[in-house]
Amino acid sequence: NAGVMQNPRHLVRRRGQEARLRCSPMKGHSHVYWYRQLPEEGLKFMVYLQKENIIDESGMPKERFSAEFPKEGPSILRIQQVVRGDSAAYFCASSPNMGTANTGELFFGEGSRLTVL
Amino acid sequence: GNSVTQMEGPVTLSEEAFLTINCTYTATGYPSLFWYVQYPGEGLQLLLKATKADDKGSNKGFEATYRKETTSFHLEKGSVQVSDSAVYFCALMNYGGSQGNLIFGKGTKLSVKP
Repeated sequence: NAGVMQNPRHLVRRRGQEARLRCSPMKGHSHVYWYRQLPEEGLKFMVYLQKENIIDESGMPKERFSAEFPKEGPSILRIQQVVRGDSAAYFCASSPNMGTANTGELFFGEGSRLTVL
Repeated sequence: GNSVTQMEGPVTLSEEAFLTINCTYTATGYPSLFWYVQYPGEGLQLLLKATKADDKGSNKGFEATYRKETTSFHLEKGSVQVSDSAVYFCALMNYGGSQGNLIFGKGTKLSVKP
């Protein structure tokens, strides 16, 4: 049973380019969460999605960042016009249903490390 | 608001030493508390959790007790191994917030020397 799969593992972009990070949740999981980890910092919640719905985006920057979790395919975190401050590790997590989500037990991917030159 | 404060790292110990990583929290209501571990190059894994006051979570020799009176959830292990070298994150979830919206501390890096 594959875990949460994120790709790419490493992504390098120049300022002004777009970054797309993908996350396939564990099989049977319908809830996806994105977190950002800045250097020497803890993880910060960004967004929580279910299939075709954004449930909570309170942690998303107001501009340039967007996320989706379509009916088919992986969840995508999109960062437009990247800046150096976007350099971070972006972690995706999933959970199977509301009950488990309420317990806080999330299953994390290995992360995508974005470097903006 | 809700927040988690953990002791600053890095922590360096010799193998078989006793480990304590302090964690305190601020929250309204009755949050659930967690310890997650991040091994080098990997994502976070749930290590243990406690959902109500006086509960003790334990796993792989680690344990932590939910102390409401001191708002703490300190992580302990009696004898650490080199393989325990990792970053440890304390976290809380307050059910007044979004489901899955875990609030993490900054993490404490543990290095265990043979």
